[in-house]
Amino acid sequence: GAGVSQSPSNKVTEKGKDVELRCDPISGHTALYWYRQSLGQGLEFLIYFQGNSAPDKSGLPSDRFSAERTGGSVSTLTIQRTQQEDSAVYLCASSLGTWDRQYQETQYFGPGTRLLVL
Amino acid sequence: GDSVTQMEGPVTLSEEAFLTINCTYTATGYPSLFWYVQYPGEGLQLLLKATKADDKGSNKGFEATYRKETTSFHLEKGSVQVSDSAVYFCALGDNQGGKLIFGQGTELSVKP
Repeated sequence: GAGVSQSPSNKVTEKGKDVELRCDPISGHTALYWYRQSLGQGLEFLIYFQGNSAPDKSGLPSDRFSAERTGGSVSTLTIQRTQQEDSAVYLCASSLGTWDRQYQETQYFGPGTRLLVL
Repeated sequence: GDSVTQMEGPVTLSEEAFLTINCTYTATGYPSLFWYVQYPGEGLQLLLKATKADDKGSNKGFEATYRKETTSFHLEKGSVQVSDSAVYFCALGDNQGGKLIFGQGTELSVKP
C-alpha cells in the first residue's frame, strides 16, 4: 500500500516568509510524528499527534513553529517568519497508534521536505 | 533527559568485512531500542528493533542485542556488502508516547 507522503519535496523561501509543510500518513495510522534532520543537530523530534490532538509538543523549537492535524489524517507543519537556522529536512512518520508501554510500534517515515531559507 | 550516543563516522570497510557500530543510551525506565537506516536518496527505514533487555533484533544479516547492564545496542554484521553503504541511526523509543530519540548517525561506506 501507499507509504507516508510529504509535500513539497523541496521548498526554497526567503527569510521572514511563512511556509507550510504537508504530511499524509499511512491510511489507518492514528499516530503521527514530525522530526527535523539538520547538519548541526542531527535528527530531532518536534511534535507527536494521537488522532487530532498533540499530547507532546516538547520538541517545537520556538513559537514560530506550529502544527495541526485534521480528520485524524493529514498534518500540516507551519513555520512563521522563517529564519536561516530553520533550513533542514523535515520528516514525518506515522504508526498504528495502538500504544502499549510494553511494545514500541514501528514508525514509518516519509521522504521528507527539504527546506532552504535564504 | 534521554539520549543516544553512537560512534562517529564515516566508517569505510571493504566488502565482506565485519561491521560493528557502537551505540549506547541513557534513559529512565526501559525503552525500546531501534536501528534505522537511510540509503542514499531514500527515506529512513527500520532495520531492526528490540523491546526488552537481552532481546536480539535481526534483519538482512544485521544483529543487535539489547544490553541493559551496559546500556548498549551495538549493530553488527558478519560480512558487509557494497549495498549496505548508508547512514545508520540508533534510536530509543520514549515510553511516554513513542517519540524516537536518535543518535547522530554513522555513515558507512563499503568498497568492492
